[in-house]
Amino acid sequence: DQQVKQNSPSLSVQEGRISILNCDYTNSMFDYFLWYKKYPAEGPTFLISISSIKDKNEDGRFTVFLNKSAKHLSLHIVPSQPGDSAVYFCAARQDTGNQFYFGTGTSLTVIP
Amino acid sequence: KAGVTQTPRYLIKTRGQQVTLSCSPISGHRSVSWYQQTPGQGLQFLFEYFSETQRNKGNFPGRFSGRQFSNSRSEMNVSTLELGDSALYLCASSFGQGWDEQYFGPGTRLTVT
Repeated sequence: DQQVKQNSPSLSVQEGRISILNCDYTNSMFDYFLWYKKYPAEGPTFLISISSIKDKNEDGRFTVFLNKSAKHLSLHIVPSQPGDSAVYFCAARQDTGNQFYFGTGTSLTVIP
Repeated sequence: KAGVTQTPRYLIKTRGQQVTLSCSPISGHRSVSWYQQTPGQGLQFLFEYFSETQRNKGNFPGRFSGRQFSNSRSEMNVSTLELGDSALYLCASSFGQGWDEQYFGPGTRLTVT
């Protein structure tokens, strides 16, 4: 049972525009969420996180939004750059020390 | 500081064989987690080790096992390999159990024929 879902396997965006990657989860007890970026032949690298006490977290061009009532989070990248082309995974966990549940990933292509 | 290293990077095995994968965490990190990545399934959590003890376990059959050594290096073993075990196996380390930021290795690509 997939507790974290990324329903868009791929997304293409023009350079300079906004990229919006979406993630839905089913477990209302999840309290911490992360986004990872993965390039081919490399492991995922941490991008940004948000705890359930917040609804927004920003880090440079990256902003994560959390809508707890909808059990939905999104990652906004503004402006998008060709180097952002990668697979993005969202992940969530319930309580410190428990395992993370990952989504299936969204492949982002930023077109120059 | 060296990153997480995994060996081997690529492996081809036959059904029924067993395989052992190795992971060396970042120096000073004591927690090691293992994930299986397959197309369409994302990253599936296998298990986590902290101070040589398994702390969390995912929903995988008993053919998948692991251990952690006193230097925090970890191995995972898959016995009686099946075609469906073909996947990228990722290891991630973090400073301590429950630390949220994990650092991933490049993975071991296992192909079962």
